[in-house]
Amino acid sequence: EIVLTQSPDFQSVTPKEKVTITCRASQSIGSSLHWYQQKPDQSPKLLIKYASQSISGVPSRFSGSGSGTDFTLTINSLEAEDAAAYYCHQSSSLPYTFGQGTKLEIK
Amino acid sequence: EVQLVQSGAEVKKPGESLKISCKGSGYSFTSYWIGWVRQMPGKGLEWMGIIYPGDSDTRYSPSFQGQVTISADKSISTAYLQWSSLKASDTAMYYCVRRAVGATSYFDYWGQGTLVTVSS
Repeated sequence: EIVLTQSPDFQSVTPKEKVTITCRASQSIGSSLHWYQQKPDQSPKLLIKYASQSISGVPSRFSGSGSGTDFTLTINSLEAEDAAAYYCHQSSSLPYTFGQGTKLEIK
Repeated sequence: EVQLVQSGAEVKKPGESLKISCKGSGYSFTSYWIGWVRQMPGKGLEWMGIIYPGDSDTRYSPSFQGQVTISADKSISTAYLQWSSLKASDTAMYYCVRRAVGATSYFDYWGQGTLVTVSS
């Protein structure tokens, strides 16, 4: 099973700040890494697919990068509405797995 | 419009059985894999398993193999997750998800979630 480790687990940030969340895989997964955002009491929502591909309707301040074992989700100019938990997910091999999540708090 | 609509919240006692559902609409139900994801209270996401409604091919996470059964009825575009004997530790929110086309693909649509509470 491929283990995904996110960092940090929690971050308190101010609006307009730039945020970087990392996801490290226990073995190479190519670009089969996706990011989701889950706001309180909502279902998760797809943010980035295949490490760096944007999703229609997702604000352009969200971007992704990386390949192999190291991946990054970047949020430029954070907005109050970005308060949420963020999860990475690998689909390279079964069983699919998720990172443990990163909770963003807006100061 | 693609939609995954799940059945309502359930409150059950330990040892009882349960089957929750996920109805797909707005797309060809038999052409996309449908998966299930567990989220225990205050915790992260866990992938449980996935089914291809076209031929009922099913794969499970080792963590959930033997603990739950995933099935689908393509005649009514509905996938199911069932337990034969619930435990308190099954208390969680359960999401159904559609996997986009491609074996290494992402979950492009999520259901609204079904909250299962198991308590004596």
